[in-house]
Amino acid sequence: GESVGLHLPTLSVQEGDNSIINCAYSNSASDYFIWYKQESGKGPQFIIDIRSNMDKRQGQRVTVLLNKTVKHLSLQIAATQPGDSAVYFCAEIPNYGQNFVFGPGTRLSVLP
Amino acid sequence: DAGITQSPRYKITETGRQVTLMCHQTWSHSYMFWYRQDLGHGLRLIYYSAAADITDKGEVPDGYVVSRSKTENFPLTLESATRSQTSVYFCASSEVTVVSEQYFGPGTRLTVT
Repeated sequence: GESVGLHLPTLSVQEGDNSIINCAYSNSASDYFIWYKQESGKGPQFIIDIRSNMDKRQGQRVTVLLNKTVKHLSLQIAATQPGDSAVYFCAEIPNYGQNFVFGPGTRLSVLP
Repeated sequence: DAGITQSPRYKITETGRQVTLMCHQTWSHSYMFWYRQDLGHGLRLIYYSAAADITDKGEVPDGYVVSRSKTENFPLTLESATRSQTSVYFCASSEVTVVSEQYFGPGTRLTVT
């Protein structure tokens, strides 16, 4: 598999701590948002999504928060594990349309 | 094997040559997508397809051609490769609507010399 992103912003957290990864989106008309995880050598993997009529959505160990006022999206990972080490991308989709717009990504590094 | 596969996984080609990247999915998903991934740009959509024989441009379509004669295949062709097309290419598919979870292939690293 392949991955890029050697010079991405990096977030380092201790194993067991909670992680918060932030994303600023650009289009106020965006109405659907997705978080993806990309492990080294693999393609992106869907984590969780949220629609613009919501401000919070929870999954298994993950929570996505949406603040439309400041166009900000965050991904919270509870009890971070070594397997969570990856690059995380947010994507916005304006007008439930066709063009997914991905952010540049954040590398999460989990320290033992 | 079930899933979404890409071939080749690595390709080196010369400027001006035509090269085709293959994508195959076994889920019979309606939608298929091609992205490129570059440092500092994240993933950018090149083309997508809503069904066989239906394709549409994404954010960065120039220099690329796609076709979809069968639901399961979505090849991407660089008609005359340029160095700026050196990138990692990902194919993805989704089930019913474009606004849903997309499943990504493992990627193809293309180098144009």
